[in-house]
Amino acid sequence: KNEVEQSPQNLTAQEGEFITINCSYSVGISALHWLQQHPGGGIFSLFMLSSGKKKHGRLIATINIQEKHSSLHITASHPRDSAVYICAVKWGAFGSARQLTFGSGTQLTVLP
Amino acid sequence: DSGVTQTPKHLITATGQRVTLRCSPRSGDLSVYWYQQSLDQGLQFLIQYYNGEERAKGNILERFSAQQFPDLHSELNLSSLELGDSALYFCASTRQSGANVLTFGAGSRLTVL
Repeated sequence: KNEVEQSPQNLTAQEGEFITINCSYSVGISALHWLQQHPGGGIFSLFMLSSGKKKHGRLIATINIQEKHSSLHITASHPRDSAVYICAVKWGAFGSARQLTFGSGTQLTVLP
Repeated sequence: DSGVTQTPKHLITATGQRVTLRCSPRSGDLSVYWYQQSLDQGLQFLIQYYNGEERAKGNILERFSAQQFPDLHSELNLSSLELGDSALYFCASTRQSGANVLTFGAGSRLTVL
């Protein structure tokens, strides 16, 4: 069983829609990353968070430590947001050598 | 351009062969991570180096090895290649060894025929 679960696996939206991608994990973590992978393969780090909420432009990431759950929201979605969004968690104490475990990704397609 | 440079971008080789993938981290970053992304397994952590020393090991096969050189660039060596080794191999770097934001290279796509 994958210790990091993402949903949905695939998501198609119309331009302008509000989008939510979810990530759940099984045990306590020190940090959670949201990554974006473009069709060409390149991976970009969007957020790293260990509590609360972060916002960058139209992207918002939240994490609920008690619920072991994080969400990535995209407001006013645009076709250029089409990509695979990957959640990754870092187990263990902050600063430890435990490395990232990745979710299977959510393929987002935004139609014009 | 993320500042993390990976070469080669594409590589096609045959089973049983050996290849070397190279990664130059972002200027000032001391830690290098290697990841493998295959169609059936998704992204998996292979190995981490920090300032020349191995810091953590993940799902890295014995046929694979890596090192980080004094100039901080890193090489991932894959030997006795099998069809299942076909994948995208990513390198990422951070300034410290802990839970910092990762900067990824563009990846090296390996195809084993």
